[in-house]
Amino acid sequence: EAGVVQSPRYKIIEKKQPVAFWCNPISGHNTLYWYLQNLGQGPELLIRYENEEAVDDSQLPKDRFSAERLKGVDSTLKIQPAELGDSAVYLCASSTGLAYNEQFFGPGTRLTVL
Amino acid sequence: GENVEQHPSTLSVQEGDSAVIKCTYSDSASNYFPWYKQELGKGPQLIIDIRSNVGEKKDQRIAVTLNKTAKHFSLHITETQPEDSAVYFCAATTNFGNEKLTFGTGTRLTIIP
Repeated sequence: EAGVVQSPRYKIIEKKQPVAFWCNPISGHNTLYWYLQNLGQGPELLIRYENEEAVDDSQLPKDRFSAERLKGVDSTLKIQPAELGDSAVYLCASSTGLAYNEQFFGPGTRLTVL
Repeated sequence: GENVEQHPSTLSVQEGDSAVIKCTYSDSASNYFPWYKQELGKGPQLIIDIRSNVGEKKDQRIAVTLNKTAKHFSLHITETQPEDSAVYFCAATTNFGNEKLTFGTGTRLTIIP
C-alpha cells in the first residue's frame, strides 16, 4: 500500500514569492491534515479536512496561507507571499477518520525562504 | 487548548539498556495518546498508542504507561538497539484521535554501541 505522497520534497524561494505544496493521501482516507514542523519542535496542525470540507482551520494564518481539497482526495497548501519565518517542514497526514485510527504522515516538504 | 510537555529533550543510552521518555498533558478531556518516531528526513511514524481507559500497553520491546490522575504518560524502550536512534514525539488528542494531535517538543534518543 502506498503511503502519503508529498511534493516537492524540497523548495527554496526568496521572500515575497508564492509557493505551493501538494499532498496525495492514502487511498480511502477521508481525513487529511496539514501540519507545520519548525526545527527542533513537534508538528503543529494548520488545517484538517473531512473529505473536501475544512473542519478545523483555526491555526491557519489566513492572510497568507490557503489550502484546498477540491475533490476530497489530493490537497494543495499555498503561501503567498512567503516570509522568512515560514521556513519549516510542511507535513501532510491522512487517516480513515474512525476512532483511534492512526494518522499516517508523509515525508514532508522542507521549505527554505531566503 | 491542550499543552503537552516532554522530557528529556536529549537522551543517550548504551546499547542494550532501557530508555524512558516522559510527557505531561493539560487537558483532562484528552483520551488518546500516540507516540511517534521520526527519523532524519522522514515523517513521524506511529510506534505505539494508548487509550485513556487503559493504564499500560506493551508491544515487544516498547511499552507505554498512562496515569490519568496525574496527567502523565511515559514511553519505555527495553533492550535498546542502534536502530532505535531517532527523535520521539508524544502526542495527545481528544475525540478519540480524529482531531488534531498536540505534540510534545520531542526527545532525541541516541543509542551508543
